Amino acid sequence: NAGVTQTPKFQVLKTGQSMTLQCAQDMNHEYMSWYRQDPGMGLRLIHYSVGAGITDQGEVPNGYNVSRSTTEDFPLRLLSAAPSQTSVYFCASSYNRQGDYGYTFGSGTRLTVV
Amino acid sequence: AQSVAQPEDQVNVAEGNPLTVKCTYSVSGNPYLFWYVQYPNRGLQFLLKYITGDNLVKGSYGFEAEFNKSQTSFHLKKPSALVSDSALYFCAVRDISIIFGKGTRLHILP
Repeated sequence: NAGVTQTPKFQVLKTGQSMTLQCAQDMNHEYMSWYRQDPGMGLRLIHYSVGAGITDQGEVPNGYNVSRSTTEDFPLRLLSAAPSQTSVYFCASSYNRQGDYGYTFGSGTRLTVV
Repeated sequence: AQSVAQPEDQVNVAEGNPLTVKCTYSVSGNPYLFWYVQYPNRGLQFLLKYITGDNLVKGSYGFEAEFNKSQTSFHLKKPSALVSDSALYFCAVRDISIIFGKGTRLHILP
């Protein structure tokens, strides 16, 4: 049981480039979400999905897009990377948004935008 | 809205001593509380949760948390700290989603 898998683990982008962070889970979880983690800021929710075909914005959605075409996958797209998007990104999944059984996190993607 | 606060950015404890990581909460209704741990270069891992019942909740790696309704606190504890317990600890509360505190960095000194 792999849980939540994120790729890549590390990425360096130039300002203005675009890329997609991949997230896949094999637990048949309906709820998936993306967070960014910055020093002193804790975890901030970017986007989330309560099921295939349904996505919504979190606390800091600007500059990011998501889609949910399958239950398993929830990619995060950076449209035009900016240095302010340098961060560690985490994907999380759960049976439901309320997290009755807690959230399961991936191991993260460390992104640097230069 | 529900929220949690972790008043300490960092806690230092000598190995073998008891440790406490503090968390206070603000909720309407009955609280549903969590503790997560993040080891270096890893994602968050679930430690324990409180829903209802016994005020002392036991979790992974020998950790426990004490729910105190009158003080609106949910402190994480361990009787004897290990160097390997050094990590970032997050308190969290269930709302329409899970809301995380800003985290407390725990340093266990050998």
